[in-house]
Amino acid sequence: AQKVTQAQTEISVVEKEDVTLDCVYETRDTTYYLFWYKQPPSGELVFLIRRNSFDEQNEISGRYSWNFQKSTSSFNFTITASQVVDSAVYFCALKYNFNKFYFGSGTKLNVKP
Amino acid sequence: GAVVSQHPSWVICKSGTSVKIECRSLDFQATTMFWYRQFPKQSLMLMATSNEGSKATYEQGVEKDKFLINHASLTLSTLTVTSAHPEDSSFYICSARDRESYGYTFGSGTRLTVV
Repeated sequence: AQKVTQAQTEISVVEKEDVTLDCVYETRDTTYYLFWYKQPPSGELVFLIRRNSFDEQNEISGRYSWNFQKSTSSFNFTITASQVVDSAVYFCALKYNFNKFYFGSGTKLNVKP
Repeated sequence: GAVVSQHPSWVICKSGTSVKIECRSLDFQATTMFWYRQFPKQSLMLMATSNEGSKATYEQGVEKDKFLINHASLTLSTLTVTSAHPEDSSFYICSARDRESYGYTFGSGTRLTVV
């Protein structure tokens, strides 16, 4: 069975603080993909990153960075120097069985000025 | 980049009526589209997978007679909520898989309120 756990329901930080959003996944597939999406209040899903199961290299994109560790089945997301515009719900997702996505429950990030 | 247009973005309907939601890939062809449902403050749950020219595959617990899906072309899938009831009120979001790049793009979602 597939499972994605985002244990942090809601996080509040003050602008310029760094924040890490946790994601732990379970799957029996040897080939899978992991994603992070941002969902602002308007509702659309904004793609942030995709990682396949064979690529454990960490990635940095501007203020965003991702730490993928297969040994702990984790795919954590860090925002450095957070900004108010980062406030949103962030979803970690697992793509399995060729086409299906399993989304975590989401972490609501509040960045206060 | 790839764009998926979902229409309408919000709709209010009376209980017992049917509502159609469109999901259209604007600049790519999508052999497969997906429909998700999201209750307030909850995650997205896959409802069904639609393949162009064939019947949709529904996830367990999703009533196929209530949520009619049609994927008549490579750029359009529709979800019709039939005989809507207040408990069908939710945020519905579609996703399309690019047949060339295999990338997935989500629509902007439709907020359905049944009164």
